[in-house]
Amino acid sequence: SQKIEQNSEALNIQEGKTATLTCNYTNYSPAYLQWYRQDPGRGPVFLLLIRENEKEKRKERLKVTFDTTLKQSLFHITASQPADSATYLCALPHTGGFKTIFGAGTRLFVKA
Amino acid sequence: GAVVSQHPSRVICKSGTSVKIECRSLDFQATTMFWYRQFPKQSLMLMATSNEGSKATYEQGVEKDKFLINHASLTLSTLTVTSAHPEDSSFYICSATKGAGNQPQHFGDGTRLSIL
Repeated sequence: SQKIEQNSEALNIQEGKTATLTCNYTNYSPAYLQWYRQDPGRGPVFLLLIRENEKEKRKERLKVTFDTTLKQSLFHITASQPADSATYLCALPHTGGFKTIFGAGTRLFVKA
Repeated sequence: GAVVSQHPSRVICKSGTSVKIECRSLDFQATTMFWYRQFPKQSLMLMATSNEGSKATYEQGVEKDKFLINHASLTLSTLTVTSAHPEDSSFYICSATKGAGNQPQHFGDGTRLSIL
């Protein structure tokens, strides 16, 4: 069955540094992959979608890569700020149709 | 934008009570709405997929008689937790998409349900 793995340990970085989060998946070849941000007690917010034929996608300080050979996506936040502290979720479309499978997320803490 | 409103944000009630949660897409018509449950530090667990005018599709292990879903219009879906018990306490989140395929999901802010 499809599996998504995100680092369950929190990532602590200093303000101004680049944060890199990893999403690995198995038993699957998705046509696209999404990243969401979730703040405590709130619903997730969509950030970026990258398709299988796109190696990299950028949006302001965010950059996502998608390596279909390694079955991995990397999510980068450059010049990180304390306001970037949140949980970041990786999501893939379910093979069966409209559903989306979410990873458990990685908690990011950016220290001032 | 794509705004999804979910109400109430928090409910505390006695065991045996039925609780209704509303999910509205405010500025778009939602082809599909999803209901999730989330436990602390865990992933979103899909409970059911809801399409306007048709019966919801429930995930394996989710009791459809326990979690009643109604999708009356393209902008409103409701989840009713019937005869709630303490084990139903959780964070329930809805989301909506504008279309099929590779469309992002737009989430409500969730409902924290606490059953005493």
